[in-house]
Amino acid sequence: GENVEQHPSTLSVQEGDSAVIKCTYSDSASNYFPWYKQELGKGPQLIIDIRSNVGEKKDQRIAVTLNKTAKHFSLHITETQPEDSAVYFCAASGAEKLTFGTGTRLTIIP
Amino acid sequence: DTEVTQTPKHLVMGMTNKKSLKCEQHMGHRAMYWYKQKAKKPPELMFVYSYEKLSINESVPSRFSPECPNSSLLNLHLHALQPEDSALYLCASSRLERGGQETQYFGPGTRLLVL
Repeated sequence: GENVEQHPSTLSVQEGDSAVIKCTYSDSASNYFPWYKQELGKGPQLIIDIRSNVGEKKDQRIAVTLNKTAKHFSLHITETQPEDSAVYFCAASGAEKLTFGTGTRLTIIP
Repeated sequence: DTEVTQTPKHLVMGMTNKKSLKCEQHMGHRAMYWYKQKAKKPPELMFVYSYEKLSINESVPSRFSPECPNSSLLNLHLHALQPEDSALYLCASSRLERGGQETQYFGPGTRLLVL
């Protein structure tokens, strides 16, 4: 089955700086890669996603890049703000099933 | 509207109790999911319903019994749970297109404590 690795497990950045979270996946058949943000006591919320026919996607301060050959994808958050503090999960999707990475706890230091 | 609702928000139950978790969506999604999430871990898939039929059961113990009464509702019936079953139970839904690789929208979860 699919295996998704995510790094780093914790990340602290100064407010206004950029944050990068990286994931690798194992199943070459996966072709949908969402990123979720989970705040304390809440369910995961989709923040951005990318499909395998696209190399990069951007939505305001958030961008995702995908390298299908190397089987890795990354989340980039620019101009970080205190409300970006949360746990972020990457995921890779095969038929009907979503496999999550282990999560990154991002802390924005004011 | 991408809202999935779950009730109750919190649940405390003894090991001999029977309780049910409820999930509802009105986005016309035909796939619905139950996940279990332990603290500091990613969500783990338990069950998938496609067109109101159980399509995936990830070898979940029989003390968890899912039910999909219609295309908008998903229940998880709980009986004789163990303390290690304490967790956040998440419901999600998605469309059923593109070979199943559609965006899953999650509810806020039910935090379950088994005493």
